[in-house]
Amino acid sequence: EVQLLESGGALVQPGESLRLSCAASGFIFSSYAMSWVRQAPGKGLEWVSVISGNGESTHSADSVKGRLTISRDNSKNTLYLQMNSLRVEDTAVYYCAKERGYYGSGIGFDYWGQGTLVTVSS
Amino acid sequence: QSVLTQPPSASGTPGQRVTISCSGSSSDIGSNTVNWYQQLPGTAPKLLIHSNNQRPSGVPDRFSGSKSGTSASLAISGLQSQDEADYYCAAWDDSLNGFYVFGTGTKVTVL
Repeated sequence: EVQLLESGGALVQPGESLRLSCAASGFIFSSYAMSWVRQAPGKGLEWVSVISGNGESTHSADSVKGRLTISRDNSKNTLYLQMNSLRVEDTAVYYCAKERGYYGSGIGFDYWGQGTLVTVSS
Repeated sequence: QSVLTQPPSASGTPGQRVTISCSGSSSDIGSNTVNWYQQLPGTAPKLLIHSNNQRPSGVPDRFSGSKSGTSASLAISGLQSQDEADYYCAAWDDSLNGFYVFGTGTKVTVL
């Protein structure tokens, strides 16, 4: 059974840093691209970042480029999101999502974690 | 970065058919496949349709997807109370280095 379990969400002040983790199980982690998708309170879904299965290719939304960095450790079956210089507008539930295919295939996220809440407020 | 445009709401009575539209551009829907997600209240999104019109295992055949040019649509036939949820379309966008784009979301209400 595929499982994705996010952790690391917290209440932080603007300008602070945070690292989110997503522990994966039930599939060959290194074979699939992974993404982070966020959802601000009461708002729609916003894609954040994607990383290829081998970790060599990454891409992020313009809104987070240079501040939020995606990475993965295939030996630990874990996806990360390093969040620096956090802003109030980064407040959201952050989901990790497994792609059905390779990096950039765009054929859908077939499994999602339960989400972890990041609140940025002074 | 752009988003795909959906109507904010749709509704129907039990048993009716409801259709949700999703409008994009040549660089997203026009060049790539469309996926649809269902988000029940308080839960994570779930893949409902992938590759324009393919249902993952376990998704009822009441749900169907289609695509034409730079637009796509999701149809729910035989509407049921448990279909009340938010629905999002999504596609890869080939602009610049490429990125994913989600639709604005449609709240489906069962009257």
